Amino acid sequence: QLVQSGAEVKKPGSSVKVSCKASGDSFNKFAISWVRQTPGQGLEWMAGVIPIFGSTHYAQRFKDRVLVTTDEFATTVYMELRGLTSEDTALYYCATLSRGPLDWGQGTLVTVSS
Amino acid sequence: DIQMTQSPSSLPASVGDRVTITCRASQDIGNDLGWWQQKPGKAPQRLVYRASTLESGVPSRFSGSGSGTEFTLTISSLQPEDFATYYCLQHKSYPLYSFGQGTKLEIK
Repeated sequence: QLVQSGAEVKKPGSSVKVSCKASGDSFNKFAISWVRQTPGQGLEWMAGVIPIFGSTHYAQRFKDRVLVTTDEFATTVYMELRGLTSEDTALYYCATLSRGPLDWGQGTLVTVSS
Repeated sequence: DIQMTQSPSSLPASVGDRVTITCRASQDIGNDLGWWQQKPGKAPQRLVYRASTLESGVPSRFSGSGSGTEFTLTISSLQPEDFATYYCLQHKSYPLYSFGQGTKLEIK
């Protein structure tokens, strides 16, 4: 099961860090992805990590602004998004998408507003 | 990155209709493709994996086909609960992924 941190309100130009805690041993062997959904728009894959290896992977359009990390126990994954603009207002999900048990977190709403 | 082009973006249809949604990949992805359904306020759920295998519990009116760069999701006879948004997702480049833009199935 994937459980995310709560909603955030941020100022333009700031950063946000969202957490995703995975319960169950099998999650750390498979990629945990970050997916966002802007209001009324589609799903967009941003980045991912295989916790047990700590290896991170980024979509080209986010690679300069997103940092994905894990804690020392490989049970919590973090996604930091820098240089926020109003276009980053979205629901951010962590999810396992193709290997291991499929699951989605409950989503974290990030609102960027001055 | 592998690009997924999904069409149409919106599909008006009626209960009982047969509908088809298409995804094209920018390069050969074999059968490393899934189809997902999302209803408002909910996380997406996978309907099809390996391009054509239905998840357990998914009604047989759903079917997926294709390989390489062209894929389709067909619903043979639309039911009221099928009106939702559908996405394709490639995982050939695991652990990198890419979604199609989505198809909103709307009541005509």
